[in-house]
Amino acid sequence: GNSVTQMEGPVTLSEEAFLTINCTYTATGYPSLFWYVQYPGEGLQLLLKATKADDKGSNKGFEATYRKETTSFHLEKGSVQVSDSAVYFCALSDRTGGFKTIFGAGTRLFVKA
Amino acid sequence: NAGVTQTPKFQVLKTGQSMTLQCAQDMNHNSMYWYRQDPGMGLRLIYYSASEGTTDKGEVPNGYNVSRLNKREFSLRLESAAPSQTSVYFCASSEPGLSQETQYFGPGTRLLVL
Repeated sequence: GNSVTQMEGPVTLSEEAFLTINCTYTATGYPSLFWYVQYPGEGLQLLLKATKADDKGSNKGFEATYRKETTSFHLEKGSVQVSDSAVYFCALSDRTGGFKTIFGAGTRLFVKA
Repeated sequence: NAGVTQTPKFQVLKTGQSMTLQCAQDMNHNSMYWYRQDPGMGLRLIYYSASEGTTDKGEVPNGYNVSRLNKREFSLRLESAAPSQTSVYFCASSEPGLSQETQYFGPGTRLLVL
């Protein structure tokens, strides 16, 4: 079945540091891939997405590239801010899975000033 | 445009009590979902409704029931609450075939079962 594995946290960085959060997936079909972000006390919200191989999703300085050959969708940001402190979820949605979304376990990011 | 709304925000129950969590969306989406979020477990799908009039079990349906009241509303009922149901519950909606299944989430209901 479909699954998503992402790096365990928490990840603690200083402001302006480079961020990478690893995500790999297993899927039987051709999934769409997502990163969602959850700020404290809130629900999840879409950060970025990519729908086919080699697509790059980007938003708010975050980027992720859909790599079919390595089944990966790693999240990166060149310079993090304190306001980026949140939990980040990698996810996939696949037509063969009835369009149900499968989420990774989440990675908590702390950014220190 | 409120998006997805959930009530209540917080609830404390005693073991064996029942309650219904309410969810409504104003985006005219066909699909709606209930998830629970537990530390280290990510989000787990409890039930979903692909369209009005249909509901299906997700990964962890035991102890829960759902009702898709109309296109806007999707409720989750705990008939006899247990401490293992202490969690944060999120409702979400999406439109199949559009936006490659982006899901829109409510703010969550924090439930404590004593």
